[in-house]
Amino acid sequence: ETTLTQSPAFMSATPGDKVNISCKASQDIDDDMNWYQQKPGEAAIFIIQEATTLVPGISPRFSGSGYGTDFTLTINNIESEDAAYYFCLQHDNFPLTFGGGTKVEIK
Amino acid sequence: QVQLVESGGGVVQPGRSLRLSCAASGFTFSSYGMHWVRQAPGKGLEWVAVIWYDGSNKYYADSVKGRFTISRDNSKNTLYLQMNSLRAEDTAVYYCARELEDYDILTGLFYWGQGTLVTVSS
Repeated sequence: ETTLTQSPAFMSATPGDKVNISCKASQDIDDDMNWYQQKPGEAAIFIIQEATTLVPGISPRFSGSGYGTDFTLTINNIESEDAAYYFCLQHDNFPLTFGGGTKVEIK
Repeated sequence: QVQLVESGGGVVQPGRSLRLSCAASGFTFSSYGMHWVRQAPGKGLEWVAVIWYDGSNKYYADSVKGRFTISRDNSKNTLYLQMNSLRAEDTAVYYCARELEDYDILTGLFYWGQGTLVTVSS
């Protein structure tokens, strides 16, 4: 099973900040990494596919990087609407596994 | 637009059964693999099960193997999760999710439902 270690678990940012969220895999998963945003009571939204590709319709303030075992979600010029829970997912092998999630608060 | 709507959650006693449903619309349901994912209160997400687009293959998390059964009715555009021998640790919000690509598995999860809460308690 591939373990995903996501950090930080919580962060507080000021509008305009650049935010980085890390996800480290316990084994090489190529670029089979996705990132999602979820707000309370809402369905999760797919924001980054294959580690680096922005999902169509998602703000270009979001970007992804990494390959193999180390991955990063970056939010540039963060806005109040970006306050949410973010999580990573590896789809390289079964069982699918998730990072522990990051709650992003906007001051 | 794509919609996934879960239903069937509720409060159930340990050892009892419950069946969840996920009604799909806005896409060709019979062309996509489907998953169940859950999130216990205050915990991270846990993948539960997957079923191939045609129902030909199914995989389960070890934590539910032998107790849960995933199935689908492509004529009704509906995904199911039959949960038997429920335990307190099965308490969670259960989400259904669709594969990114048609006729393939392990492509990632694209669309998610809003979830249905299952509480296992006496």
